[in-house]
Amino acid sequence: EVQLVESGGGLVQPGDFLRLSCAASGFTFSIHWMTWVRQAPGKGLEWVANIKHDGSEKYYVDSVKGRFTISRDNAKKSLYLQMTSLGADDTAVYYCARDACGTGDCRYNFFDHWGQGTQVTVSS
Amino acid sequence: EIVLTQSPGTLSLSPGERATLSCGASQTVNNYYLAWYQQKPGQAPRLLIYGASSRATDIPDRFSGSGSGTEFSLTISRLEAEDFAVYFCQQYGSSPWTFGQGTKVEIK
Repeated sequence: EVQLVESGGGLVQPGDFLRLSCAASGFTFSIHWMTWVRQAPGKGLEWVANIKHDGSEKYYVDSVKGRFTISRDNAKKSLYLQMTSLGADDTAVYYCARDACGTGDCRYNFFDHWGQGTQVTVSS
Repeated sequence: EIVLTQSPGTLSLSPGERATLSCGASQTVNNYYLAWYQQKPGQAPRLLIYGASSRATDIPDRFSGSGSGTEFSLTISRLEAEDFAVYFCQQYGSSPWTFGQGTKVEIK
């Protein structure tokens, strides 16, 4: 069974940093692009960043460029999101999601498995 | 960036009724690259439809998707109790990949 379990969320102050983790199991992690998607309170979903299966390519939504860094450790089957200079607009549930393409060096950009999410709250 | 607008915001229906949800795009979505997700309170989104009309694994055939260009729809032919949820569309034809704001299907 595919499982994605996020951790690392919490309450932080504006300007702080936080590192989110996502532990993957039940599938070959190293062949999938992986993604972070967030959902602000009462709002829709927003794609944040994604990373190629080998970590060689990374892409970000404009609002987090220069502040967030996505990374992965295939040996540990883990995905990370390092977040710095956090602001109130970053308050959201952050989901780790798997790209639906699972045949090697491919990317579909839609997501067939999601974690339960971790809450990040930025407030003074 | 492609903006997706979903309508209606809320759909109040009874079990057994047909639900039709719409997703309009501000620009043409390339190659039918449109997905639909279902989300229940406190749960992760679940992929229902991709490629505008292809059902994901284990999705019942009462769910169907259609559309092209800038207009897409999700139809639930006969609502069952577990279908009352929020539904999001997502385009993945142009970066950044964007989502609609959601349609809530609630019990009337």
